[in-house]
Amino acid sequence: ELKVEQNPLFLSMQEGKNYTIYCNYSTTSDRLYWYRQDPGKSLESLFVLLSNGAVKQEGRLMASLDTKARLSTLHITAAVHDLSATYFCAGGDYKLSFGAGTTVTVRA
Amino acid sequence: DGGITQSPKYLFRKEGQNVTLSCEQNLNHDAMYWYRQDPGQGLRLIYYSQIVNDFQKGDIAEGYSVSREKKESFPLTVTSAQKNPTAFYLCASSMDSSGNTIYFGEGSWLTVV
Repeated sequence: ELKVEQNPLFLSMQEGKNYTIYCNYSTTSDRLYWYRQDPGKSLESLFVLLSNGAVKQEGRLMASLDTKARLSTLHITAAVHDLSATYFCAGGDYKLSFGAGTTVTVRA
Repeated sequence: DGGITQSPKYLFRKEGQNVTLSCEQNLNHDAMYWYRQDPGQGLRLIYYSQIVNDFQKGDIAEGYSVSREKKESFPLTVTSAQKNPTAFYLCASSMDSSGNTIYFGEGSWLTVV
């Protein structure tokens, strides 16, 4: 069974600074997903990473995948308040295993 | 609009009752899933279906049942055998199992009273 670990679990960001969320997984995974969840809401898909070395960017968010290290990172550039949310990574084929989530709070 | 519709959004269940959560998608997706989320935690897979008339247990299937009689519908029944059903339930779907994005519905909150 694929295990997914995220860290940190809580991240307090200062506006304008850069931060990284890490996602480690235990066994080979064909793909790695990143999702965003606002309080009380559903999950919004951010990125799907399908191969080693994959890098995807959308606005201030950039995700990368290193399958040899079994590591994905979500990098946040110049944090803004709108990025406050909980971010999940998930791995697997069609049966996703989710990390516990990283709750991000951006302060002025 | 295309998407995944879950209903009801909020549901209260008495002890010993079965309740059914509806999930309908008009995305023409083959695969559908049910996840459970407890406060402050990640999602755990209850059941999934890759094709009509076929479904498989996920990691926490005990106390739940599903059916997949139509491609667009994947209802979840929370039975009285589920001892701690209070949670946020999320239905999801994907085109198939080959790496396509998995999309989620808006979720259903179930509370036992």
